[in-house]
Amino acid sequence: EAAVTQSPRSKVAVTGGKVTLSCHQTNNHDYMYWYRQDTGHGLRLIHYSYVADSTEKGDIPDGYKASRPSQENFSLILELASLSQTAVYFCASSDALGAQDTQYFGPGTRLLVL
Amino acid sequence: QQKVQQSPESLTVSEGAMASLNCTFSDGTSNNFRWYRQHSAKGLEVLVSIFSDGEKEEGRFTAHLNRANLHVSLHIREPQPSDSAVYLCAVRANSAGNKLTFGIGTRVLVRP
Repeated sequence: EAAVTQSPRSKVAVTGGKVTLSCHQTNNHDYMYWYRQDTGHGLRLIHYSYVADSTEKGDIPDGYKASRPSQENFSLILELASLSQTAVYFCASSDALGAQDTQYFGPGTRLLVL
Repeated sequence: QQKVQQSPESLTVSEGAMASLNCTFSDGTSNNFRWYRQHSAKGLEVLVSIFSDGEKEEGRFTAHLNRANLHVSLHIREPQPSDSAVYLCAVRANSAGNKLTFGIGTRVLVRP
């Protein structure tokens, strides 16, 4: 089974500060994803990547950057954190973006922006 | 844009009784359907994946897909208190670049 880890597991940040969320997977998956989860919304895709050194915008990329320095690592960067970015963030990985691939999720990072 | 809606919002069942959850989607090109379980403060665990009309069973979890009706359901046989969690429906469509669209979830409480 896929092993996806995230750090930190929770974080309190100040408005306007920089926040970096990290994700690491050990299953040799090509695809990695960042989602956010808010009350009243399903998980929404922020950024994804299908190869190292390349990232793609998801459905809600504004206010976020992503970095994929290696196949195993994928970071989400909030350059200027805002109150509206308080949410739980999930990282996922998958072998491919084909019709039958499965995304495996990390445990999530709970971010509170004050 | 794909819309995925789940019902009911919450469900309480007694241990051992069948639990049934519903998910409707809007994009007729959808071809990949998954049910995830999310325990409080934890990540998502994939329960069952289904890609063609009919039924797919994984242990106590059975998914039923009817693409003509834009509907996929999840049935939990003999639910246990440890099954208390939020259940998320996720749908992938070709028209969405094969990206997953999630429903808001159904919160299930299993009472002993």
